Amino acid sequence: DAGVTQSPTHLIKTRGQQVTLRCSPKSGHDTVSWYQQALGQGPQFIFQYYEEEERQRGNFPDRFSGHQFPNYSSELNVNALLLGDSALYLCASSLFAGIHLYNEQFFGPGTRLTVL
Amino acid sequence: QKEVEQNSGPLSVPEGAIASLNCTYSDRVSQSFFWYRQYSGKSPELIMSIYSNGDKEDGRFTAQLNKASQYVSLLIRDSQPSDSATYLCAPRTAGNMLTFGGGTRLMVKP
Repeated sequence: DAGVTQSPTHLIKTRGQQVTLRCSPKSGHDTVSWYQQALGQGPQFIFQYYEEEERQRGNFPDRFSGHQFPNYSSELNVNALLLGDSALYLCASSLFAGIHLYNEQFFGPGTRLTVL
Repeated sequence: QKEVEQNSGPLSVPEGAIASLNCTYSDRVSQSFFWYRQYSGKSPELIMSIYSNGDKEDGRFTAQLNKASQYVSLLIRDSQPSDSATYLCAPRTAGNMLTFGGGTRLMVKP
């Protein structure tokens, strides 16, 4: 049973560029959440997708956008990259909390983004 | 006031001792609480979830929850050097969003 997978593992971009990160959830899960983890800090919630719609969003600008596909996989897009966007981007999969009260989120290995 | 507070550490304990990790949270609506372990350079790994007041034991790990005091803790018995990592406390707040503390770095010395 495959766990959560993310690609790519590492990415180097320059300021102003755009980036797309990808995530496939754990088998049986239907919800994908994205988090940003800066060095030395805990992860911060970006947004969550369920049934191909953004269901909840954290305090991130519109430069951060996403998508969920019918097979539950998801993409995170970041436009107009800033130096401060350098971080570990984590995808977490789960069952939708609106239906499943006792659900848990499982993280993928993450994508390390460096913006120069 | 931060939403989730943890002592950043490092918390240093000798091998075989009990490590006690604490977390306080501000959102009284939170109903579910999770502890993640994160090794340096790796992603967080779920080690415990707790939903009701009281204790929940799983192997060497015990999670304790007190919703009235807005306090959750993690005890690690018989600590091993392999337990050396950062431990993240994460209440589930509105919807399905996890709000993380900054984590406590645990060092277990042989």
